[in-house]
Amino acid sequence: QAVVTQEPSLTVSPGGTVTLTCGSSTGAVTSGHYCYWFQQKPGQAPRTLIYDTTNKHSWTPARFSGSLLGGKAALTLSGAQPEDEAEYYCFLSYTDTWVFGGGTRLTVL
Amino acid sequence: EVRLVESGGDLVQPGGSLRLSCVGSGFTFSTFAMTWVRQAPGKGLEWLSYISESFSPIFYADSVKGRFTVSRDNAKNSLYLQMNSLRAEDTAVYYCARGFGTSWFYLWGQGTLVTVSS
Repeated sequence: QAVVTQEPSLTVSPGGTVTLTCGSSTGAVTSGHYCYWFQQKPGQAPRTLIYDTTNKHSWTPARFSGSLLGGKAALTLSGAQPEDEAEYYCFLSYTDTWVFGGGTRLTVL
Repeated sequence: EVRLVESGGDLVQPGGSLRLSCVGSGFTFSTFAMTWVRQAPGKGLEWLSYISESFSPIFYADSVKGRFTVSRDNAKNSLYLQMNSLRAEDTAVYYCARGFGTSWFYLWGQGTLVTVSS
C-alpha cells in the first residue's frame, strides 16, 4: 500500500508563511490524487480545508491555499494566526484506496 | 441544523462485534456519499470505507476488508459500520463524514469511541 509522507512538525511565527507538503511513495503527487487537507485541534473532529488539490470550502480562511509543488501536494499558510496551531493531515486518492498522511503538527510561535 | 451524529461505540472484547451508526439531520441524506474514518488514541487519521449515495460503489481499506461492512438506510437517514472480529488495534474514535460535490469530507460527525480490550 502507498505511504503518504508529511513533515512531523513545523513552526511558524505569527504573521509568517509556512508550507506543509504531502508526498507519495508511488511517485509524484498529481492532480489525479485529488489531495485533501484537514485541520484538527485537540479533542475536535477534523475540519476539511482543501479538496481536489486547490479547492476551498466556504469556511476555509483565505490565508490557506493548496497547490502542487515539486512533485508533492502543498498547503501554504500565509499570515499565520495563533488559532492555526493544530495538526494538519493530507489525504490522497489511489486506485480503489485512499490514504492519509501521518500528519504535521504546526506550532505558531 | 445540518449535522452527523455517531453512536454505538463501546468497550468490546477481542474477537467481538459492534455496529456503529451515523445519523444525518438537516439535509437529504440519500443524496450524499458517506465515508468512515478512524483515529487511534494519540495517532493519525485512517480512512476505512466509502459508500456512494446509490449504494454502489463501496470501498474498504485493506486493514478492515473482510471484517467490517458499511451499509446505509436512507429511509432512516443512517449510515452503519458493522465491525466483526475486533482486535486491540481497532481501538479508536470512529468518525463518519458526508460528501458534497467532489468533496468526500464536507461535513464530519463528532466521533464515537470504540475500545477493544479484555
